[in-house]
Amino acid sequence: QFQLQESGPGLVRPSETLSLTCTVSGGSISSSSYLWGWLRQPPGERPEWIATVYYTGTPYYNPPLRSRVTISVDTSKNQFSLRLNSVIAADTAVYFCARRGRGHFGDAFDIWGQGTLVVVSS
Amino acid sequence: DIQVTQSPSSLSASVGDRVTITCRASQSINSYLNWYRQQPGKAPELLIYFASGLQSGVPSRFSGSESGTDFTLTISSLHPEDFATYYCQQTYTSPHTFGQGTKVDIK
Repeated sequence: QFQLQESGPGLVRPSETLSLTCTVSGGSISSSSYLWGWLRQPPGERPEWIATVYYTGTPYYNPPLRSRVTISVDTSKNQFSLRLNSVIAADTAVYFCARRGRGHFGDAFDIWGQGTLVVVSS
Repeated sequence: DIQVTQSPSSLSASVGDRVTITCRASQSINSYLNWYRQQPGKAPELLIYFASGLQSGVPSRFSGSESGTDFTLTISSLHPEDFATYYCQQTYTSPHTFGQGTKVDIK
């Protein structure tokens, strides 16, 4: 069955770019049944959806973050990635990648990576 | 954006208790309401999708229901692993927003 694993730096300096990659195993990222997303969760807060991508590369962004975020997919590597520009301390959070049903399962995120903590600090 | 408001924000219960958590949407969301359980230090786990659909592999002690813009998650008999934080999420319109969470701890 599908498994997702995040990778990337755990510390990013203010004003720099946060880059994370999610590797999908146990199935193809090119499935027409799913989208692939990034979410984050600051300590003690609720999860926040950041962005989602279809295997064709079509992106969907949360409007408050849209100007700083890029999501992309690499089907040859079965990976998708997140870039968040001009980071500030408020971007410190656990970042999750997740699979989302496309027109089924209520469009819920049904499989999640374990999450990776990213701290923004100088 | 559609807001989803959970209640209560926390509750204390014992193993074996029946627990209900409510989520109210700020407008009609046509059953597009999901429930997750998040154990400490772990990722959220999907329990219920589309208001009442039980996710594969999730125990039958979990159930979901709806009445208009009010949605309820019920745990019929608490197990030790159910002491966790629960979130609802609406997926009717983008951005898909989460409730503020309900922490269930041991009485």
